[in-house]
Formats: sequence, structure tokens, C-alpha cells
Amino acid sequence: DAGITQSPRYKITETGRQVTLMCHQTWSHSYMFWYRQDLGHGLRLIYYSAAADITDKGEVPDGYVVSRSKTENFPLTLESATRSQTSVYFCASRAAGPYNEQFFGPGTRLTVL
Amino acid sequence: AQSVSQHNHHVILSEAASLELGCNYSYGGTVNLFWYVQYPGQHLQLLLKYFSGDPLVKGIKGFEAEFIKSKFSFNLRKPSVQWSDTAEYFCAVQYGNKLVFGAGTILRVKS
Repeated sequence: DAGITQSPRYKITETGRQVTLMCHQTWSHSYMFWYRQDLGHGLRLIYYSAAADITDKGEVPDGYVVSRSKTENFPLTLESATRSQTSVYFCASRAAGPYNEQFFGPGTRLTVL
Repeated sequence: AQSVSQHNHHVILSEAASLELGCNYSYGGTVNLFWYVQYPGQHLQLLLKYFSGDPLVKGIKGFEAEFIKSKFSFNLRKPSVQWSDTAEYFCAVQYGNKLVFGAGTILRVKS
């Protein structure tokens, strides 16, 4: 009954390093999403995936890479972290169909020094 | 571009006061509408949702929202707030597969 989990919950890294944030859901939802939350901006969509091996850009994809080899996992990679990527990152998932809500994970607070 | 506007960034109320948070969106077609709440240190939780039908939607914890199509609005209301309602509230609109969020409203309820 885990639902949707994210790891790590907190991460401090340095500029230029590669960082991967993990997201795992146990519902077999088709759709998965990555958002970043910044004060004054609400949540902004980074990438989303409609199914395994299908991903698409959101509003703020630059500097991020995603993959989805398995339905239940949707990792987000910052290939070369920058200070502007300091944020709280939320993963979400949703069942297929137009009348389903998104469920959110607990978030990862990332600090880039 | 599709957008969602929340009118108030910070709201401070005393307990038992009534609450109304405004939300407007830019798209004139069929949309699904949501209000999410984020309590301090926690993740987003769904308060209520509108897909179709009765434009007055009731959610959890005594919250309700009214969809007014002609005004592209989906305002959140609660007749009497409690200290435990202190949180950040997000309006969100689903455009196709994507959910677009407003900037959020931080509500502080004074006891």
C-alpha cells in the first residue's frame, strides 16, 4: 500500500554534478509526471510519460532527462546540476482516461550549491 | 499558452471567518478542474475536482468550489475556517494530458 514514493527525500549536490531523483508507484498507473515547485510559480511540469517508453516535455524541460523503461518507475536526471535547479521536485501519477486525478509523491528537496 | 491565475498570494483570516479563493483559467474549451492543498511539510492532496455536471462541487473538510463557465472561474470556498486549514492551496486545470497549476495561495488562519 505504498502508493507513490520518491527517493531521496533530501539531496544536496554541487554545480555540475549529475543527480537522479527516483519515483516509484505501485498502482500501475499509465501516466507519470515530474513537477518542480518554486515559490511564486506553483508547480511547473518538467516531463511526463503516458506509458513505458513514451515521454514528452512539459513547461520547463531544459536541463532534465527522463526515462521510463518500466511502468512503475520514472526517474528524473539532472545531467549537470545548476543552482537554478534548486527546488522541491514532486512526482505524480494518474490512471489513463480523462476523469482521473493525479496522486502526488512526498517530494524531494534538492539543493544545488 | 494555457494559464491559471490565483488572485491572492497570501490570505490571513481569523478562525470562523469565511474563505473564498479565486481561480481563473485561460482556455475556453472543455477542462477538468481541481483544487489541491499542501499542508506544511507535506505533499499535495486533492481537495475537490470538477469534471462535469453540477457546477457546485463539494470536497473534503467542508470545502466547496463553484465552476462558472462564462467567467472561466473555479473559486474555492469554506464558510468557516479553522486553524488546521493553514496551508497552501493550488488551483489546477487539466488541458489534455497535462495539469497546469496556479501559483498558489498561502492561507494562514489565526487562532
